[in-house]
Amino acid sequence: GESVGLHLPTLSVQEGDNSIINCAYSNSASDYFIWYKQESGKGPQFIIDIRSNMDKRQGQRVTVLLNKTVKHLSLQIAATQPGDSAVYFCAENIPSGTYKYIFGTGTRLKVLA
Amino acid sequence: GAVVSQHPSRVICKSGTSVKIECRSLDFQATTMFWYRQFPKKSLMLMATSNEGSKATYEQGVEKDKFLINHASLTLSTLTVTSAHPEDSSFYICSARDGEAGWNTEAFFGQGTRLTVV
Repeated sequence: GESVGLHLPTLSVQEGDNSIINCAYSNSASDYFIWYKQESGKGPQFIIDIRSNMDKRQGQRVTVLLNKTVKHLSLQIAATQPGDSAVYFCAENIPSGTYKYIFGTGTRLKVLA
Repeated sequence: GAVVSQHPSRVICKSGTSVKIECRSLDFQATTMFWYRQFPKKSLMLMATSNEGSKATYEQGVEKDKFLINHASLTLSTLTVTSAHPEDSSFYICSARDGEAGWNTEAFFGQGTRLTVV
């Protein structure tokens, strides 16, 4: 089955510190991964993506690491800011028919002032 | 990035009635659209994948007669919740992939629709 249903874990970090959010994905055939940020009552917003032929990709203040051996993704946010407070989801693109996006359980990030 | 518009953002309906939610890609052609359902403090659960001009592919456990999906054009997909009941109350979110960008590209999300069935 798909990866759904668990209550969101929470990560609390001090403003200015780095945050690391982890995600375990389900399908070893998945070849593309995306991190999304979701604020309350809104749709997910794209943060960064990575293809399966890479193990690291950097953006502005964010870095995604991919470990295909253990089917694990992480999102690192440098110098975390109050505006980073949200729920973060990883999504895997499963090459099944029309390539569908399946979401992980998500992590709530709380930035403490 | 590309824009996906979802309408309405909130809807309250009476039990037994049907509700239609629209999802439009505003500046790209979406050959594939996805419909998700999200319960409070939970992740997004994929309900179905729809390709323009063909029948939607529903995920296991999702009733296709309950959640009717139509993807009649490259810019519009609709989800109709038929004979809604209070347990159908949820946050419904659509997303779309740009058909010209390829399979391994990001999906753009709508703003979501909060459905409350009373």
